[in-house]
Amino acid sequence: NAGVTQTPKFQVLKTGQSMTLQCAQDMNHEYMSWYRQDPGMGLRLIHYSVGAGITDQGEVPNGYNVSRSTTEDFPLRLLSAAPSQTSVYFCATSTTGTISGNTIYFGEGSWLTVV
Amino acid sequence: SQQGEEDPQALSIQEGENATMNCSYKTSINNLQWYRQNSGRGLVHLILIRSNEREKHSGRLRVTLDTSKKSSSLLITASRAADTASYFCATDAIGYGNKLVFGAGTILRVKS
Repeated sequence: NAGVTQTPKFQVLKTGQSMTLQCAQDMNHEYMSWYRQDPGMGLRLIHYSVGAGITDQGEVPNGYNVSRSTTEDFPLRLLSAAPSQTSVYFCATSTTGTISGNTIYFGEGSWLTVV
Repeated sequence: SQQGEEDPQALSIQEGENATMNCSYKTSINNLQWYRQNSGRGLVHLILIRSNEREKHSGRLRVTLDTSKKSSSLLITASRAADTASYFCATDAIGYGNKLVFGAGTILRVKS
């Protein structure tokens, strides 16, 4: 049981390049989400999904796309990377489709630098 | 923004002392949670307190919630060097949809 697995752990991109951060979970959790963490700003929600085929925007969705074709996977796509997207990205999951009253389980993070 | 705000931003104490961190938020909530993050790692859930609860305990952790003041506190008793980490509160606000919103965190350093 691996929990929440994020890949890659570290990535350096050039401005304008595209890439996908992968998130996979083996806990059969319905809720999956992506956060970014910047110094002094805590974690900010980018996108989330309450089940396969359903996605919605969080606080800072611009510049990011997501899809949820399976329960297990929730990739985050950067279509044209910008230096402002330099951050640490966390995938987080929860058991049911509602976050209310439920614990969130975090991956170990992906460090992204855009130069 | 629904974001909670932790206070203080940083706290340095000696091993064995108690550490108190505070969280304030802006709107009515369903629940409030506290998470811990060790350097370079993901966040780990510590405790959840519901809006109809005033106090909750888990081991050396004590969380209080005052919905009239829109604030919560996390007390770590008899701190250990291993408690050194960042601590975040997260709120699940009424009417804000299916989202958990985190504060900026308190950095706790416990000196041995």
